[in-house]
Amino acid sequence: KAGVTQTPRYLIKTRGQQVTLSCSPISGHRSVSWYQQTPGQGLQFLFEYFSETQRNKGNFPGRFSGRQFSNSRSEMNVSTLELGDSALYLCASSLQSTNEQFFGPGTRLTVL
Amino acid sequence: AQSVTQLGSHVSVSEGALVLLRCNYSSSVPPYLFWYVQYPNQGLQLLLKYTSAATLVKGINGFEAEFKKSETSFHLTKPSAHMSDAAEYFCAVVWSGGSNYKLTFGKGTLLTVNP
Repeated sequence: KAGVTQTPRYLIKTRGQQVTLSCSPISGHRSVSWYQQTPGQGLQFLFEYFSETQRNKGNFPGRFSGRQFSNSRSEMNVSTLELGDSALYLCASSLQSTNEQFFGPGTRLTVL
Repeated sequence: AQSVTQLGSHVSVSEGALVLLRCNYSSSVPPYLFWYVQYPNQGLQLLLKYTSAATLVKGINGFEAEFKKSETSFHLTKPSAHMSDAAEYFCAVVWSGGSNYKLTFGKGTLLTVNP
């Protein structure tokens, strides 16, 4: 069974731009969660989607948004990029009942 | 606020020595506890999980963890370290609110294995 895939793996943007990251979950997984990882703040939860609905949300500004499609693929969008948004963005998928989350390799975003 | 604390941001051991990585969580028993490992430039890989079936949990690569309710701890151990164990390790907890599950991570412990 294929794992969680994330595209692109690396991105370089400048301040003020916007970016869209993509995540394809493991086949059959309906829950997709996003996390931001930085050296200073560690791993922080962004949001979770289940069956195209945002089910849970972390403490991030409204510039961070996401969506999930009917095939469970998910996208995360960050608008008006700031230097502090430079991070590794991780996506994880899970079945509803197990709570065991499987992570993708991440997208490394650098904001200049 | 609910939290997860990993004692020691960096642990260094010799190859063949015992590995002990500490994790404590805030009070009230959480539904699930996890340990993840992250190798450089990779995502997180699940090592093991506690789901209340047994207090001693065995995971992959020879790791195990023991859930101690009285100490609110879930420390990770491995009897004999291998060079390939060098990585960053994260303890994570799920606190549920209805059907909403979200992982809360500790800050991570970087494990170095010396030859």
